[in-house]
Amino acid sequence: ELKVEQNPLFLSMQEGKNYTIYCNYSTTSDRLYWYRQDPGKSLESLFVLLSNGAVKQEGRLMASLDTKARLSTLHITAAVHDLSATYFCAGPSGGGADGLTFGKGTHLIIQP
Amino acid sequence: DAGITQSPRHKVTETGTPVTLRCHQTENHRYMYWYRQDPGHGLRLIHYSYGVKDTDKGEVSDGYSVSRSKTEDFLLTLESATSSQTSVYFCAISGSTNYGYTFGSGTRLTVV
Repeated sequence: ELKVEQNPLFLSMQEGKNYTIYCNYSTTSDRLYWYRQDPGKSLESLFVLLSNGAVKQEGRLMASLDTKARLSTLHITAAVHDLSATYFCAGPSGGGADGLTFGKGTHLIIQP
Repeated sequence: DAGITQSPRHKVTETGTPVTLRCHQTENHRYMYWYRQDPGHGLRLIHYSYGVKDTDKGEVSDGYSVSRSKTEDFLLTLESATSSQTSVYFCAISGSTNYGYTFGSGTRLTVV
């Protein structure tokens, strides 16, 4: 059974700064997903990482996957207030159709 | 969210009453999922479906049942609602896990 741990769970940072959210998972997985959730809203897919060494970037966000270390990172560059949200990482629960196991989420507040 | 709708969006019900939540998709995706989201727990998988009439249990399936009589609809039923089932329920769909999962807007259920 996959376990997913995110840290930190809460992060307050200033605009313009860089920071990284870490996602560790317990069993071998060749894929990892990142989602964003705004308060009271649904989950928005940010990145789907499908192989070891995968790196994807969208604007100020960059995600990477190291399957050997069982680690994914979400890096925020020069943060802006609009990136304030809760970020979740998730991995396949057991492969195939049986859904995702989520981390508890990182609540990110970016202050002017 | 495009291609996936949940109903109702909000519901208040009394303890002991049955409740059915509906997830409807127009994407013709094979896989459908029900999650619940609670503070401090992230999202947890309740049940999932990998085809018409093909369903299986997730991590927190006790007290819930599901049905999928056609590709586009996945129903979640609380046979006898309890206060511990107060939560936000999300449906998700996937055509291929390589392309991630799309989430519905959620149903906020309160059991009083």
